[in-house]
This record gives sequence, C-alpha cells and structure tokens, in this order.
Amino acid sequence: AQSVTQLGSHVSVSEGALVLLRCNYSSSVPPYLFWYVQYPNQGLQLLLKYTSAATLVKGINGFEAEFKKSETSFHLTKPSAHMSDAAEYFCAVSDPNNDMRFGAGTRLTVKP
Amino acid sequence: DTGVSQNPRHKITKRGQNVTFRCDPISEHNRLYWYRQTLGQGPEFLTYFQNEAQLEKSRLLSDRFSAERPKGSFSTLEIQRTEQGDSAMYLCASSRLLGTEAFFGQGTRLTVV
Repeated sequence: AQSVTQLGSHVSVSEGALVLLRCNYSSSVPPYLFWYVQYPNQGLQLLLKYTSAATLVKGINGFEAEFKKSETSFHLTKPSAHMSDAAEYFCAVSDPNNDMRFGAGTRLTVKP
Repeated sequence: DTGVSQNPRHKITKRGQNVTFRCDPISEHNRLYWYRQTLGQGPEFLTYFQNEAQLEKSRLLSDRFSAERPKGSFSTLEIQRTEQGDSAMYLCASSRLLGTEAFFGQGTRLTVV
C-alpha cells in the first residue's frame, strides 16, 4: 500500500523567508501526489497536485512542489513566507487502485 | 456547487451513546471517503465508497463503526457505544475519479464525555 512520510512535525520561518516542507512517498505504481493546507477547526484545502504531467507543479498562494521520482520526494516550497501561511500542511498520495493516504502533517509557524 | 457538507459540526455525547454523522458530497462525485483526525495528526483513513459500494474499510473501523451510502448519494457514519477514545474530528471527502483530488467538508468534531 502507498504511504507518505513528512519530515519535521514543526517548521518555523521568519516572514519573507523561504518555506520548505518535506514529503517522501512510497508507492508501487506511479502515484498521484497532493499537498493540502488546514487552518484551525477547518477541513482540508487543496494547495496543489501532481498527476504525472509536469514535474514542477504550481499551486495556490504562491506554493509550488517538485516531483522527483529518483528521490521519491514531493517537497513543498514558497519563496517568501507570509504570516497568513501559518497552518498545518499535509502531503497525501493515491494511485489508480487505492484511496488517498496522508502524512502526519507539518505545522508551519511564521515569525514576524 | 456548494461543496462537501457535513452535519453536525460539533457533537458532544456521553460515553456509551450512539451517534450518527451525515456527509453530503459534491453531487457529481462518485467516490466518498471518511477519515478520522486527532489533534496533531494527519487524517487517518476509515473507509470509502464508490457510488453505493463500500470498497475498503480500515482496521481502525471496529465493529462499533458502520458507514452507509444509500443510492450513492449522501453517506452516514454511525458509532455505537461511544468511548472516550472516539473523540476526534471526523472528515468526509469526495472525488470525481480515481486518483483525482478529494474535496473535504468542514468536519464533525465529536467529544465523548
């Protein structure tokens, strides 16, 4: 079965600094990969998705992620953090034969 | 398109009582998922439906849990004889096709006292 590992349960950056949230996946077939964001007491909102087209995927709010098959990674980046980016971020994997599975999440804190 | 709707948003119940949650997916979506999320954790897969058929159930889904999706429309998740360990956020999501993104509802927060 597919799975996801998010490295770092907490990441803290200063406003304006680079955001890098790490995600590694395991899948026996070519995966679909997703990043979701969750604000307190809310459901999950899709940031971006990879579905075997371009390996560099751009999402909402200035986020992007790069699919690297050789590293089985799908790290999320944003060049310049804003205070409003503070939230919980989840990486998820699915494939044509299975449902969607999530990582444990990374809490992003943005310091002024 | 009003998105995925979950009711109620909050539920407080006494231990041993039964509770039922409802999820209304996006209308043209044929896949529906239930997840459970506890504080500081990612969503844990519980079960999913393809139309009205329940295709997979997690080992987390004990015999106290049951889910239905009659006629492939809305879904209900029932927990019988609730325990304090059932306290969590229960998330519902729906998707159009295999492997496409899932759209989430706001969740139902269950507190068992």
